[in-house]
Amino acid sequence: QVHLVQSGAEVKKPGSSVKVSCKASGGTFSSHAISWVRQAPGQGLEWMGGIIPIYGTTNYAQKFQGRVTITADESTSTTYMELSSLRSEDTAVYNCAKGSGGYDRPLDFWGQGTLVTVSA
Amino acid sequence: EIVMTQSPATLSVSPGERATLSCRASQSVSSNLAWYQQKPGQAPRLLIYGASTRATGISARFSGSGSGTEFTLTISSLQSEDFAVYYCQQYNNWPPLTFGGGTKVEIK
Repeated sequence: QVHLVQSGAEVKKPGSSVKVSCKASGGTFSSHAISWVRQAPGQGLEWMGGIIPIYGTTNYAQKFQGRVTITADESTSTTYMELSSLRSEDTAVYNCAKGSGGYDRPLDFWGQGTLVTVSA
Repeated sequence: EIVMTQSPATLSVSPGERATLSCRASQSVSSNLAWYQQKPGQAPRLLIYGASTRATGISARFSGSGSGTEFTLTISSLQSEDFAVYYCQQYNNWPPLTFGGGTKVEIK
């Protein structure tokens, strides 16, 4: 059973960047797509992008293109999501989630979420 | 981008009753549709994939149906632990993967 553990909560200033990590254990990691999904307070789920670690290939939602960078370190089974030029609207819980295969598969395991608060 | 629309936004149901949730896609997603359950303070949990296949460990109370653009999640006899928010998600056309806005199932 895969277990995804994310880094802790962050408080950031507008205009700065945040980098959230997601470490996988207990199963196959490298060949499966890892997605990042965010949820603003009281809102729904929004897919930001993802990576297939074994290839290092990424896909991003157009909304976040140019502002988000997703990377992976196969040696530590860790994926990272960096979001730049933060604004108050980026205050949200950020989740990593593993696809049961590529992006054409459901998200079968999720991290516990990381709250990012953007405030002056 | 495929837009997913869920209805109703809120569903009030008594324990033991059946709940029927709907999800509509703006264009066909074949059977590449998943349902997730989310409880307050928790990450979403996969319930159904392939429109109708229950994920590992999911109770037979949950069933999914549909294909193309119209999908349904049915909870046959609501238990206290089933009161939560439910999201549908398509994984047929990407990027981006897209989710519905959610249906909150609350106690009547």
